[in-house]
Amino acid sequence: GQQVMQIPQYQHVQEGEDFTTYCNSSTTLSNIQWYKQRPGGHPVFLIQLVKSGEVKKQKRLTFQFGEAKKNSSLHITATQTTDVGTYFCAGPDSSYKLIFGSGTRLLVRP
Amino acid sequence: DAGVTQSPTHLIKTRGQQVTLRCSPKSGHDTVSWYQQALGQGPQFIFQYYEEEERQRGNFPDRFSGHQFPNYSSELNVNALLLGDSALYLCASSFWGRGANVLTFGAGSRLTVL
Repeated sequence: GQQVMQIPQYQHVQEGEDFTTYCNSSTTLSNIQWYKQRPGGHPVFLIQLVKSGEVKKQKRLTFQFGEAKKNSSLHITATQTTDVGTYFCAGPDSSYKLIFGSGTRLLVRP
Repeated sequence: DAGVTQSPTHLIKTRGQQVTLRCSPKSGHDTVSWYQQALGQGPQFIFQYYEEEERQRGNFPDRFSGHQFPNYSSELNVNALLLGDSALYLCASSFWGRGANVLTFGAGSRLTVL
């Protein structure tokens, strides 16, 4: 079945440093979504990318969808303590079930 | 505009018991998906309900069953609980007409099996 992999598993940064997480799918995706889960919380939808090579920005967050629609990245510029949490990518499989990656946990030192 | 509500928030059961978890979807949503999230892992798809029928199912045994009611709310039932069923159970709602795969999650029900 489809697999969605994320790296790194953990990232510990100093506040103000940049952060990037990478997502790779074993199959071509019709779209990719990103969710954020704060410690003790639940996943919250951030964004959906649909087009090959698409780039979207939300303030300090930049999301990219690869040309082959099999990979994606999330880049945070100048991290803040409010960015702490686990970031998940997710893509639909051939029967449209949303498959989540294992997530990247971001820790920010103040 | 109420979001997704789940109950109970926490519960403790013993091996072999049965549990029922409940979910009310976000207003305007008609599709409910259930996910299991073990500690430190990503959410794993259990099943999805639309029009009171199970539409998709993940790789979970028949001990996991569900139901959707005419008002779109849903229940997840787990029989013969095992220690490995301890996890956060997340309900997510969506709108079938938009491809049903942009999800709004509830806060989850944390199940501990002793």
